[in-house]
Amino acid sequence: DAKTTQPPSMDCAEGRAANLPCNHSTISGNEYVYWYRQIHSQGPQYIIHGLKNNETNEMASLIITEDRKSSTLILPHATLRDTAVYYCIVRSNDYKLSFGAGTTVTVRA
Amino acid sequence: EPEVTQTPSHQVTQMGQEVILRCVPISNHLYFYWYRQILGQKVEFLVSFYNNEISEKSEIFDDQFSVERPDGSNFTLKIRSTKLEDSAMYFCASSELEGAYEKLFFGSGTQLSVL
Repeated sequence: DAKTTQPPSMDCAEGRAANLPCNHSTISGNEYVYWYRQIHSQGPQYIIHGLKNNETNEMASLIITEDRKSSTLILPHATLRDTAVYYCIVRSNDYKLSFGAGTTVTVRA
Repeated sequence: EPEVTQTPSHQVTQMGQEVILRCVPISNHLYFYWYRQILGQKVEFLVSFYNNEISEKSEIFDDQFSVERPDGSNFTLKIRSTKLEDSAMYFCASSELEGAYEKLFFGSGTQLSVL
């Protein structure tokens, strides 16, 4: 699986958009970009995934650069309940889902 | 929304004892996983299971560990002789491959404490 690089932590104001960057410069053509999050002591939760195109669902938006070497997860209106560790993971279906250290996002009132 | 259920939520055991952690995956899912997370560390893959056999396992998943799907609904992780370093949160996950991508659903975990 391609390695990803994320900032270790970031703060966000409640009600504002949170933009979480991820670098994956060694991504290959059949690898998807997945985002999961882990709220304290809970199991990881799927957020969104993408291959080439930008994606949006009820939780977030995913913007993938044209060269696919980086992506940004956008939480449009962060709430206190969005405080969590966010994991950017790149993988193909041939391999297990592997979690790195992620970005600890703290949403402040 | 359907969910993965794990029991018990907490398990305390003595070193050397056997423990069985139980999971009920989402009913139409075909792929099952165990992960663990030692306090303050990353979520680590242990094993994946499909079609009644292990499809992949990590170096952590040694001979002390085994998995089973005994009755078509439960998915269990057995640790034969627990060690202190087995203390961790254990997460079960399941998925149904959808086209070319896979979305894993995780349970809320079993906190295992080995004394």
